[in-house]
Amino acid sequence: DSGVTQTPKHLITATGQRVTLRCSPRSGDLSVYWYQQSLDQGLQFLIQYYNGEERAKGNILERFSAQQFPDLHSELNLSSLELGDSALYFCASSVASGNSYEQYFGPGTRLTVT
Amino acid sequence: SQQGEEDPQALSIQEGENATMNCSYKTSINNLQWYRQNSGRGLVHLILIRSNEREKHSGRLRVTLDTSKKSSSLLITASRAADTASYFCATGIYNQGGKLIFGQGTELSVKP
Repeated sequence: DSGVTQTPKHLITATGQRVTLRCSPRSGDLSVYWYQQSLDQGLQFLIQYYNGEERAKGNILERFSAQQFPDLHSELNLSSLELGDSALYFCASSVASGNSYEQYFGPGTRLTVT
Repeated sequence: SQQGEEDPQALSIQEGENATMNCSYKTSINNLQWYRQNSGRGLVHLILIRSNEREKHSGRLRVTLDTSKKSSSLLITASRAADTASYFCATGIYNQGGKLIFGQGTELSVKP
């Protein structure tokens, strides 16, 4: 158990809908990361927050947005969903902001868009 | 596009044998990390090697880094069935916060 929790575990929704994925980092970790894993794209970095502020951005679509709250939990919002958004979404956390720190991954949320 | 390319894509060995996985990347890096993923589950950090290091050990794991060739290798010695998993290299780039760029992974199968 990494100490990172993600809810829900599974999500099935229809095209055009909006969903929110939630992540609670390990106790004491200030950075939260979101990744998308799919068969065709592999594991893609989406976005990082550090202590409430956006710190790094990857190939995150404009239909996707995220935020980190004062209690350090984070939410990833996916809107106008398309079939191609079906994937495993991981949240990870680390103690600080740089890339020299071990990232602890949650169990993931499997999103299926029908 | 992915920064890292891993080779081989799949590897099947017998328990007790050594497994070697290779990772190549394109741009200058700050460090390189290796992660393991059991089927459909979250990734687990294995080892980090900094750009000024050439070799690092952790238990049965040995990682090398050759920045001139932009490549790294992960060696698992005396493999066990429990080592069956996908292995990913991930590169950290200077001045890009905590962003890690993952390779496509090597799927390792260790047969008892």
